[in-house]
This record gives sequence, structure tokens and C-alpha cells, in this order.
Amino acid sequence: GAGVSQSPSNKVTEKGKDVELRCDPISGHTALYWYRQSLGQGLEFLIYFQGNSAPDKSGLPSDRFSAERTGGSVSTLTIQRTQQEDSAVYLCASSPGQGAYGYTFGSGTRLTVV
Amino acid sequence: GNSVTQMEGPVTLSEEAFLTINCTYTATGYPSLFWYVQYPGEGLQLLLKATKADDKGSNKGFEATYRKETTSFHLEKGSVQVSDSAVYFCARSNQAGTALIFGKGTTLSVSS
Repeated sequence: GAGVSQSPSNKVTEKGKDVELRCDPISGHTALYWYRQSLGQGLEFLIYFQGNSAPDKSGLPSDRFSAERTGGSVSTLTIQRTQQEDSAVYLCASSPGQGAYGYTFGSGTRLTVV
Repeated sequence: GNSVTQMEGPVTLSEEAFLTINCTYTATGYPSLFWYVQYPGEGLQLLLKATKADDKGSNKGFEATYRKETTSFHLEKGSVQVSDSAVYFCARSNQAGTALIFGKGTTLSVSS
């Protein structure tokens, strides 16, 4: 597609429920990233996929968080047993390579856990 | 540690004023450096970048120079407009090149 598409744009969920957030990267981009943007905290790196390589999961804050990327394209970020501190904007970005190319970000999913 | 530090906002300016948003970084080696901008209600957009020392990135009247000596990448614009009101994020690539590390963002508000 023309840009990075994320869905849903907003999600309100009850504490303890599981949620899935979707990212559809730019066609042909081999690298895909998930970040979390919390108020006053800037952007926190979560996970990185590059082609068929094993993902870099070093930023995932707990084992309640997981992500998959199927067929080298669409990615799903899953948060199990959501907590109120998970409330944030979850941003996806894709890149044709890594490092110096920079990213193209999606508009994000605003997650609110009540 | 490895981090990116930006001046705290908000920065409030009148139209046509000169803008500087300071950014310094700590890193092993020579990362690529970036400025991203987030306009109200929109996603982050790449504003400019520099990949090696002394490079100057520029876009939309904004400039930033990669200063290895001072480990800085300050963002400047000679004459801001109301439409420049946004949150500005400084970032650097990590050593492995697998992610960008962002500062906390600086909010700019320009009034007419």
C-alpha cells in the first residue's frame, strides 16, 4: 500500500482481556518495527522483524507481549491479560532496510485499558 | 548509557522567530541521526537525517548538522510558521542498526 496501515485506530479494553493490534507495512519493505508511545515517555522500542531472520524481541516489556509477522508482510502485536499500564499508542513502522534508511510510521493504535 | 536527550518543552515562539531544539546523544561508534515530526492528530514523519559526521540534513527550512565532537544534532529553522507547531523527536540508530532510539520529544507551539 501507499503507507503503513494500522488497525484498529482506537481500542478500549477491559483489564485482563487480550488484544491484537495489526500492522500492514509498505509493500516491499523488509523491516518492520513496533514501538510504544506513552505520555511523557517518548517512544519505546518493542520488537523488530527483518526479512526471514529471527526477530529482535529485546524491547518487549513482559511475556504478556508477543508479535508475529506472517509471510514477511502483515504483523500482529498481541498483549495478553492487559493491564492499565499497557495504555499507550502502539506505533508500527516499516523500512526498506535498516539503520540509515529511517522509518515510515503508521498512525498508531491508541489502546486504553479500563 | 546509550541515549538521546532533547531539550524539554514546550517551546513557545512567535511566528518568524528563530528556532533551535537541542539534541545530544551517547553512543558507541557513529550512529545515523534523525529528526522526526508529529503534527497534531498525525503519525510521526521523517523530517531529516544525517548518516555521518559533518553531514547536514535539511527539509522544509529545517536543518541539523551531525557534530561528532559535541555528539549533537541540534534542529534549527530561521523563521518558524504556525504550521510548524508539532512535537519533534530526535533519534539515533542503535549499534546493530536494528532500531531507532528516540528522545522524549519537544513540543513546539508557534503563535501568530
